[in-house]
Amino acid sequence: AQKVTQAQTEISVVEKEDVTLDCVYETRDTTYYLFWYKQPPSGELVFLIRRNSFDEQNEISGRYSWNFQKSTSSFNFTITASQVVDSAVYFCALLYNQGGKLIFGQGTELSVKP
Amino acid sequence: DAMVIQNPRYQVTQFGKPVTLSCSQTLNHNVMYWYQQKSSQAPKLLFHYYDKDFNNEADTPDNFQSRRPNTSFCFLDIRSPGLGDAAMYLCATSRTRTGGRNEQYFGPGTRLTVT
Repeated sequence: AQKVTQAQTEISVVEKEDVTLDCVYETRDTTYYLFWYKQPPSGELVFLIRRNSFDEQNEISGRYSWNFQKSTSSFNFTITASQVVDSAVYFCALLYNQGGKLIFGQGTELSVKP
Repeated sequence: DAMVIQNPRYQVTQFGKPVTLSCSQTLNHNVMYWYQQKSSQAPKLLFHYYDKDFNNEADTPDNFQSRRPNTSFCFLDIRSPGLGDAAMYLCATSRTRTGGRNEQYFGPGTRLTVT
């Protein structure tokens, strides 16, 4: 079975703090893809990153970084020096090679207070 | 600049009155998806088109139908909306379903209210 777990339902931080959003996945496939999406209050899901199962390199994009570890089936997302504009619901998702269907975690609502 | 466009952004319909939601894309992607997202929940895939090939999820109610008349447009038809169908409906596209370039790009969504 394919499953994504985001154990943190809500996180609240003060601006400029670093914050890590956890994501744990389950799949029996050897080929799969992991994603992070941001959903601000406006509702649109914004694509942030894709990782395939063969690429365990960590990635940094500005204040965002991602840590993919197959050994622990985790794909965690860190925001450094958080800003109020980072406030949103963040979804981790799994797409396995059967194609098409994104399996979403339940989302983590991040609130960054000034 | 808009890539995935959904109209209308807000739709109010009456219980049992058919409603159609629209999605268009300027990305020329092969795959188009419809997701349903209820309050404080994750999006749930209803169905998707790979070119003209329609793929329904096993647990999608018969009340939901879709049409894709050409590459750019896709419609979601709800034949007899019930109160439980009130939700945000998200359209997404991707170049491929598997392999590379499979990231899905979402539109802004249509929020459906059923009275």
